[in-house]
Amino acid sequence: DAGITQSPRYKITETGRQVTLMCHQTWSHSYMFWYRQDLGHGLRLIYYSAAADITDKGEVPDGYVVSRSKTENFPLTLESATRSQTSVYFCASSADRGRQPQHFGDGTRLSIL
Amino acid sequence: SQQGEEDPQALSIQEGENATMNCSYKTSINNLQWYRQNSGRGLVHLILIRSNEREKHSGRLRVTLDTSKKSSSLLITASRAADTASYFCATDYTGANSKLTFGKGITLSVRP
Repeated sequence: DAGITQSPRYKITETGRQVTLMCHQTWSHSYMFWYRQDLGHGLRLIYYSAAADITDKGEVPDGYVVSRSKTENFPLTLESATRSQTSVYFCASSADRGRQPQHFGDGTRLSIL
Repeated sequence: SQQGEEDPQALSIQEGENATMNCSYKTSINNLQWYRQNSGRGLVHLILIRSNEREKHSGRLRVTLDTSKKSSSLLITASRAADTASYFCATDYTGANSKLTFGKGITLSVRP
């Protein structure tokens, strides 16, 4: 079955450390997205990608880096983690930027101590 | 912010009752989508309604769109305990660089 997989599901790290969250989709969707979900804010877009090697900033990109060398993978890196980046992170994919449904992974719960 | 606003923030009903959730938005849209999120899981797409549509159905779900009032509603009929979840509306605003923008969500509790 086609789907989208995030790893790890849970991660605890310390401030200043680098951490990478992985996202893999088997839909062959051109678009992929990274969101963070925080109480009181809903889902906020961090970065998105329209295709391999094409990425763009979302609403809250500061402190994050993305890459997309292959269509199916879209890793998110926190280069120097801060406590404010403690959140639940969701990856999604879609055939379009906004005109088609998005398919979500089950998220990574990240705690930064 | 172009975030849509859902109303109410929380809703508690008895099994078998209908649940109505509302979403208002600010500028013109290409489409509006509703998603469900169960605790500890990712969002699941429910229905997409385009700006030229007024009503769509999917099983026990009915979505309406009123572009003149910039609002949408999601009706779940004959609710079940398994409908307990958070529900989000997401809007695809018109414009060159538009992206899907999610609201903060509505928490629905269905009591057995």
